[in-house]
Amino acid sequence: QVQLVESGGGLVKPGGSLRLSCEVSGFRISDYYMNWVRQFPGKGLEWLTYVNHDGRSTNYADSVKGRFTISRDTAKNSLVLQMNSLEVEDTAVYYCAKDSGVRLVGYMDVWGKGTRVTVSS
Amino acid sequence: EIVLTQSPATLSLSPGERGTLSCRASQSVSTSLAWYQQKPGQAPRLLIYDASNRATGIPARFSGSGSGTDFTLTINSLEPDDFAVYYCQQRSDWPGTFGQGTKVEIK
Repeated sequence: QVQLVESGGGLVKPGGSLRLSCEVSGFRISDYYMNWVRQFPGKGLEWLTYVNHDGRSTNYADSVKGRFTISRDTAKNSLVLQMNSLEVEDTAVYYCAKDSGVRLVGYMDVWGKGTRVTVSS
Repeated sequence: EIVLTQSPATLSLSPGERGTLSCRASQSVSTSLAWYQQKPGQAPRLLIYDASNRATGIPARFSGSGSGTDFTLTINSLEPDDFAVYYCQQRSDWPGTFGQGTKVEIK
């Protein structure tokens, strides 16, 4: 059964850090591009970053470039998002999502349930 | 960054009616557009990709059309399970962007 399960969210002060994980089952993350997408409290969605099948190619939205880092642990079949220098504007639900193709297609066909991140003093 | 504008913001319909949702791009995205459905407390679900192709397991009452800057999602004969928020997303240019959503509510 294909499943993505995020964890690691919580309440953090501005300037702090969080490490989100996404446990993947039902397929190998080494076979697909993987993404992180967030949804703001007002419900807007933002595609943050992706990593390719071998972990060598990544890209980031300007809003998180230099602060967030995506990585993968193929041994654990999991995806990680390291978030540093967090800002109040980073408050959102963070989703791990599988790309629909083995190359970067840019559509996400499997999503986790999300993990909530709140940045507040 | 390509901006996607969805209309209307809210669509009030009765079960059995047809719903027509619009998504307009600030510049051409060719057919590189998807539609997602999101229900409360759930993640988005891919419905349509490349403007007109249904994703795996999506019922035939969902159809997509359009190219360039104007796109439409049509839901024929709305079922109770279809009342949700719908988002369009373009993947023509990085970062792929989402529209602000259209809520389809029960009239």
